[in-house]
Amino acid sequence: DTEVTQTPKHLVMGMTNKKSLKCEQHMGHRAMYWYKQKAKKPPELMFVYSYEKLSINESVPSRFSPECPNSSLLNLHLHALQPEDSALYLCASSQEKTTGDGYTFGSGTRLTVV
Amino acid sequence: SQQGEEDPQALSIQEGENATMNCSYKTSINNLQWYRQNSGRGLVHLILIRSNEREKHSGRLRVTLDTSKKSSSLLITASRAADTASYFCATDAKPYNTDKLIFGTGTRLQVFP
Repeated sequence: DTEVTQTPKHLVMGMTNKKSLKCEQHMGHRAMYWYKQKAKKPPELMFVYSYEKLSINESVPSRFSPECPNSSLLNLHLHALQPEDSALYLCASSQEKTTGDGYTFGSGTRLTVV
Repeated sequence: SQQGEEDPQALSIQEGENATMNCSYKTSINNLQWYRQNSGRGLVHLILIRSNEREKHSGRLRVTLDTSKKSSSLLITASRAADTASYFCATDAKPYNTDKLIFGTGTRLQVFP
């Protein structure tokens, strides 16, 4: 299995809702990532987990809460979001950069906050 | 900011022509990567070039890296309509944690049949 699977593919939520985005990989990669991408912009790093521990938080608002239950799963819990949080949320995983394999990205969750 | 700048922002060519995209970055790097993104989808890793390498090839792709100028270029030869996508360079900056991969602004490539 050489894929990163993200669910759901599309999500519409109200500003008072609580929802979660899920990401799964079975490549044995040690690091997993959340990126946010607005239309016609590059992906922006949100969080990095390395060996199931949060290693980087790019000053993301607390209404986004990441969780890494095990080495294959990564969640992003959403609560009290704003319309400007509408974006494509991308999950990625990687082994070691020196292998030359780069990151493997999921196809993303298209989030709309209404 | 570490973010790279890419030019051109948009590029339109005919099938069979070559496409060249350039990336400039601001900090010293461990390596530089190129990714492709089809509209509204996830990114696909194309190629990684290490800071001690100057050129790398993969199929129809040729990447160069000039660390003295902090720049890289991606050449796609004999382009096809299927190459239509956005292309991003990405760098991980020294001396930071190498897990921090930052993307450039991207080039939108349109290849007409």
